[in-house]
Amino acid sequence: EVQLLESGGGLVQPGGSLRLSCAASGFAFNSYVMTWVRQAPGEGLDWVSIINADGSYTDYGDSVKGRFTISRDNSKNILYLQMNSLRVEDTAVYYCARGDGEVSKRHFGFWGQGALVTVSS
Amino acid sequence: DIQMTQSPSTLSASVGDRVSITCRASQSISNWLAWYQQKPGKAPKLLIYKASNLESGVPSRFSGSGSGTEFTLTISSLQPDDFATYYCQQCNSHPYTFGQGTKLEIK
Repeated sequence: EVQLLESGGGLVQPGGSLRLSCAASGFAFNSYVMTWVRQAPGEGLDWVSIINADGSYTDYGDSVKGRFTISRDNSKNILYLQMNSLRVEDTAVYYCARGDGEVSKRHFGFWGQGALVTVSS
Repeated sequence: DIQMTQSPSTLSASVGDRVSITCRASQSISNWLAWYQQKPGKAPKLLIYKASNLESGVPSRFSGSGSGTEFTLTISSLQPDDFATYYCQQCNSHPYTFGQGTKLEIK
């Protein structure tokens, strides 16, 4: 059974940093693209970042570019999101998800339960 | 960036109704579109990919159609479990973008 389990969420002050982790199991993690998607309270879905299977390619949404870094450890089956210079508007539930489908044309077939990040003074 | 616009934002319907949700892209995305269902406090669930392909395990009352810039998600006969929020996502190019969501409510 495919499982994705996020951790590392919490309360942080504006300007602070936080690192999210997503532990994967039940599939060949090192063969799949992975992504982060967030959802602010009461709002819709917002794509954050993506990383290819071996970690050599990454991309980001405009709102987080230069502040967030996606990475992965295929030896541990863990996906990361390092979030720096956090803003109040980064407050959201952050989901990790597995990218399925064709190269550069990914849909997201499996999602974690989400980790809440609250940025507030 | 490709903008995705869903309509309606809210839809009231009854069990047994046939309902459709529309998603429009600001430029052609061929058939690179996915649909998700989300219930309160839960992660999104993939329903449809490549515009019309039903994800494994999803009931056949869900169907998708369209190409280019206009797409439709149809539920043929609403069941109580279907009342949720639905999102489309363009998978054509980065940054991937989602529609704003359609909340399907019980009439």
